[in-house]
Amino acid sequence: AQSVTQLDSQVPVFEEAPVELRCNYSSSVSVYLFWYVQYPNQGLQLLLKYLSGSTLVKGINGFEAEFNKSQTSFHLRKPSVHISDTAEYFCAVMRGNAGGTSYGKLTFGQGTILTVHP
Amino acid sequence: KAGVTQTPRYLIKTRGQQVTLSCSPISGHRSVSWYQQTPGQGLQFLFEYFSETQRNKGNFPGRFSGRQFSNSRSEMNVSTLELGDSALYLCASIGTNRDGYTFGSGTRLTVV
Repeated sequence: AQSVTQLDSQVPVFEEAPVELRCNYSSSVSVYLFWYVQYPNQGLQLLLKYLSGSTLVKGINGFEAEFNKSQTSFHLRKPSVHISDTAEYFCAVMRGNAGGTSYGKLTFGQGTILTVHP
Repeated sequence: KAGVTQTPRYLIKTRGQQVTLSCSPISGHRSVSWYQQTPGQGLQFLFEYFSETQRNKGNFPGRFSGRQFSNSRSEMNVSTLELGDSALYLCASIGTNRDGYTFGSGTRLTVV
């Protein structure tokens, strides 16, 4: 089984400041890693994903994340945030090889609410 | 291309009633999953369907059921609704593992 821990439930930051949202995971098998963003009253939007290869992954809206296998972490970063980045962010894992034609399930962290202040 | 479409967006039901939620995946996607999102429990996996077969099921009571049709559209049903079933129900579809899941906007169910 997999588990995900998002280390901060809320992160306040000022506009144009850098931000890091922390995510640790636990799994006995290889995993795929994802970050999703959720704006109020909306579904989840995929920000970026790590499947294999380069440990630095770039996503949409200027976000990037670094996969660290030894520390089992997948922290999300943005060098300069905007007011529009205010949202809830979810880290998720999925088994790297679900086998057959099953794509497996996502296991989510509890979410981090990012609030960007002017 | 069109995204994942969930209907209805909002529902209010009374305890004891049943409800059916609908999900149309992205065209060509054969796998559909359902998640329940609540403030207390966060995002929890309900079930996954692929080619009309349930592949995975989360830890929910038998009151929660689902199905998938030959056109990949999926429905989930909750019978004998309880107040605790109030939640945002999210549907997601996927083409390949490498794509990641695409989520719909959800159905907000309120049980009164």
